[in-house]
Amino acid sequence: DAKTTQPTSMDCAEGRAANLPCNHSTISGNEYVYWYRQIHSQGPQYIIHGLKNNETNEMASLIITEDRKSSTLILPHATLRDTAVYYCIVLRSSNTGKLIFGQGTTLQVKP
Amino acid sequence: DAGVIQSPRHEVTEMGQEVTLRCKPISGHDYLFWYRQTMMRGLELLIYFNNNVPIDDSGMPEDRFSAKMPNASFSTLKIQPSEPRDSAVYFCASSLSSGLRNTIYFGEGSWLTVV
Repeated sequence: DAKTTQPTSMDCAEGRAANLPCNHSTISGNEYVYWYRQIHSQGPQYIIHGLKNNETNEMASLIITEDRKSSTLILPHATLRDTAVYYCIVLRSSNTGKLIFGQGTTLQVKP
Repeated sequence: DAGVIQSPRHEVTEMGQEVTLRCKPISGHDYLFWYRQTMMRGLELLIYFNNNVPIDDSGMPEDRFSAKMPNASFSTLKIQPSEPRDSAVYFCASSLSSGLRNTIYFGEGSWLTVV
């Protein structure tokens, strides 16, 4: 599975949009982009995933560039409860369960 | 809706003792995963089941670890005998089949300390 690169940390003001970037320049055609997060002392939480098209659900939006080499997770109105480590993972669907959490991005939402 | 339910949430045990961790997946999910998380090694997939059948146990560290899924609503992870290096957070997780199997829902974890 392709390697991902994320900034180590980011800050965001409460109520503002949080935009978390991820580079995955070696992604191949059959690999999906997944985003998970982990709030301190809790289990990981699935956020969203996509292949080529942009995706939106009740939690977030995922914007994937046309060449698929990078993506951005958008939390439209960040709250203090969104403070967590966010992980961008590139994964073939056949690699069932093989979530590899790199260092991720620590998002701190501030009042 | 109830999520993945794990028990116990916290366990402290002495080296050499048997530890049993329990999990109830989300109703209707046919994939069940056991993960281990430590600061040193991060999140590791230990084993996963599909329709109660173990599919990939390549992540199980050694014979001291065993996992069972006797029915669709219950699974156990057993460590016998336990060692201090087994201290970690153990997560159970579940997902639906087909294209959603990597949309994985985790429990709150079982925090194991072996002294």
